[in-house]
Amino acid sequence: EAGVAQSPRYKIIEKRQSVAFWCNPISGHATLYWYQQILGQGPKLLIQFQNNGVVDDSQLPKDRFSAERLKGVDSTLKIQPAKLEDSAVYLCASSLGRGVWGTEAFFGQGTRLTVV
Amino acid sequence: QQQVKQSPQSLIVQKGGISIINCAYENTAFDYFPWYQQFPGKGPALLIAIRPDVSEKKEGRFTISFNKSAKQFSLHIMDSQPGDSATYFCAASRLTGANNLFFGTGTRLTVIP
Repeated sequence: EAGVAQSPRYKIIEKRQSVAFWCNPISGHATLYWYQQILGQGPKLLIQFQNNGVVDDSQLPKDRFSAERLKGVDSTLKIQPAKLEDSAVYLCASSLGRGVWGTEAFFGQGTRLTVV
Repeated sequence: QQQVKQSPQSLIVQKGGISIINCAYENTAFDYFPWYQQFPGKGPALLIAIRPDVSEKKEGRFTISFNKSAKQFSLHIMDSQPGDSATYFCAASRLTGANNLFFGTGTRLTVIP
C-alpha cells in the first residue's frame, strides 16, 4: 500500500517569497491533515480536511497560509509571504476518518522549509 | 497551552534495558492515545495506540500503560535495542469530530550498544 506522498522534500526561499507544498494521501482516506513541526518540537496542526471540507483551521495563520483539497484527494498548502519563523517541516497526514480506528493517522516524510 | 506534556526530553538507555517515557494530558474529552516514532528525516510513524477503556496494551516489546484518573499514560520499551534510537512522541485526540492529534514535545531516545 502506497503511503502519503509529499513534495518537494526540501525548499529554501527568501523571506517574503511564496511557496507551495503538495500532498497525496493514502487512497481511500477521507481525512487529511497538515501539521507544522518546528525543530525540536512535536507536530502542531495547521488544518484538517474531511473530504474536501475544512474541519479545523483554527491554528492556520490565515493572513499568510492557505490550503485547499480539491476533489477530496490531493491537497496543497501555500505560504505567502513567508517569514523566517515559518522555517519548519510541514507534514501531511491522512486517516480513514471513519470506524473504530479511523483516527489512525499516517504521515508523509514532510517538506523541510528553510526561510532565509 | 500545551495540551500534552511529555518527559523526559532525552533518555539514554543501555541495550537490553527498559525505556520509559511519560505523558500527561489536560483534556478529559481525549479518548485516543497513540505513540509515534520518528527517525531523522522521516515523518512520524504510529507505534502503538490505546483507548481509555483499557489500562494497558502490549505489542511485542512496546507497552502503553494508561491511568485515566491521573490523566497520564506512558510507553515502556522492553529489551531496548540500538535500532530503537529515535524520537518518540505521545499524542492525544478525540475519536470523533475535530479529531486532530495534539502531540507532546518529544523524547529523544538513545540506546547504547
